Amino acid sequence: NAGVTQTPKFQVLKTGQSMTLQCAQDMNHNSMYWYRQDPGMGLRLIYYSASEGTTDKGEVPNGYNVSRLNKREFSLRLESAAPSQTSVYFCASSWTREGRDEQFFGPGTRLTVL
Amino acid sequence: QQQVKQSPQSLIVQKGGISIINCAYENTAFDYFPWYQQFPGKGPALLIAIRPDVSEKKEGRFTISFNKSAKQFSLHIMDSQPGDSATYFCAASMGGSQGNLIFGKGTKLSVKP
Repeated sequence: NAGVTQTPKFQVLKTGQSMTLQCAQDMNHNSMYWYRQDPGMGLRLIYYSASEGTTDKGEVPNGYNVSRLNKREFSLRLESAAPSQTSVYFCASSWTREGRDEQFFGPGTRLTVL
Repeated sequence: QQQVKQSPQSLIVQKGGISIINCAYENTAFDYFPWYQQFPGKGPALLIAIRPDVSEKKEGRFTISFNKSAKQFSLHIMDSQPGDSATYFCAASMGGSQGNLIFGKGTKLSVKP
């Protein structure tokens, strides 16, 4: 069991470039999430997918798009990267959207936008 | 605005000492309060969680104390070890299908040998 995997681990972009962060889970979880982590800011939810075929905005969705490709995969796209999007991005998954379900996190993608 | 306020931002404790991290929340609809532990270069992982129908939950050296009337909860790490050095996040959610976790800003704990 790999759990939650994310690619790439590190990425450097120039302002205006686009990229897609990939996430996959092998736990047969229904719900998946994208967070960003900034120093002193904790974890902030960007988008989530309660189940295959649905996506919803979280606290900080501006500048991002997501795709729930299938039950296993949930990708995050930056169409035109900005320096404010420099952050560590974490994907997570859980059985359901129930708040009491444990969320399992991937190892993160460290993104720098110059 | 739903918020979870966490303190302190950083904490240094000697080996064998007690580490205490505090969190306060505003929304009385929150009914689930987990703590996540994050080691450098890794994603967070669930450490321990509590529901408001109990005032304390203990798992090994880790204890959550919950004060519903004060809307506060805290993590106590007894006999702190260098291997406990990590960032700790408290969180809260309303459960149900509206259960987005709201995280505190984190506490970086360093346990000195």
